[in-house]
Amino acid sequence: SQKIEQNSEALNIQEGKTATLTCNYTNYSPAYLQWYRQDPGRGPVFLLLIRENEKEKRKERLKVTFDTTLKQSLFHITASQPADSATYLCALSPDSSYKLIFGSGTRLLVRP
Amino acid sequence: DAGVTQSPTHLIKTRGQQVTLRCSPISGHKSVSWYQQVLGQGPQFIFQYYEKEERGRGNFPDRFSARQFPNYSSELNVNALLLGDSALYLCASSPAVYSNQPQHFGDGTRLSIL
Repeated sequence: SQKIEQNSEALNIQEGKTATLTCNYTNYSPAYLQWYRQDPGRGPVFLLLIRENEKEKRKERLKVTFDTTLKQSLFHITASQPADSATYLCALSPDSSYKLIFGSGTRLLVRP
Repeated sequence: DAGVTQSPTHLIKTRGQQVTLRCSPISGHKSVSWYQQVLGQGPQFIFQYYEKEERGRGNFPDRFSARQFPNYSSELNVNALLLGDSALYLCASSPAVYSNQPQHFGDGTRLSIL
């Protein structure tokens, strides 16, 4: 069956450290993978999109990798801050339309 | 510029009732998608509309329907409400229908079924 999985356990790290979140998928061949941030009571906010032919994408303190062989994406936040505390969602589009399939998200807690 | 706006922000209904949720996309965006997000889960795709036509439908019963208006705003209708329909309903817009574009989400309508 088709699945997109993120670690359901919260990630608790110290301010200043690098947070690494994992997204694994099975039985999909996405051309793109996206990461979103969601705060409580708010809608998801787009962070980064990475294409299948891109190994790595960076934006300020954020970095995303995409390994189509492992069927995995890693999302890194360097020099993490308490304001980075939120739930992070990965999403892929299984076909050429804009239907997005989301993982269940990983909650990140950054301690001061 | 205004982002995606949804109304109402909160709604309480009882089983068997009907509800209509509204969404205004970002100006210039022609694609609107609807998602259902149950607590603790990621958003689940319900519908996509582009240029007033349905372009995609998720695995939801026929009690769920939607439409898009000439100004690209959209409504989601849910009939015969069930307790399991309690969720955050999110609307997202994008300029077109391609998968290489970010989705811009509103803050959703929190629907509670009693």
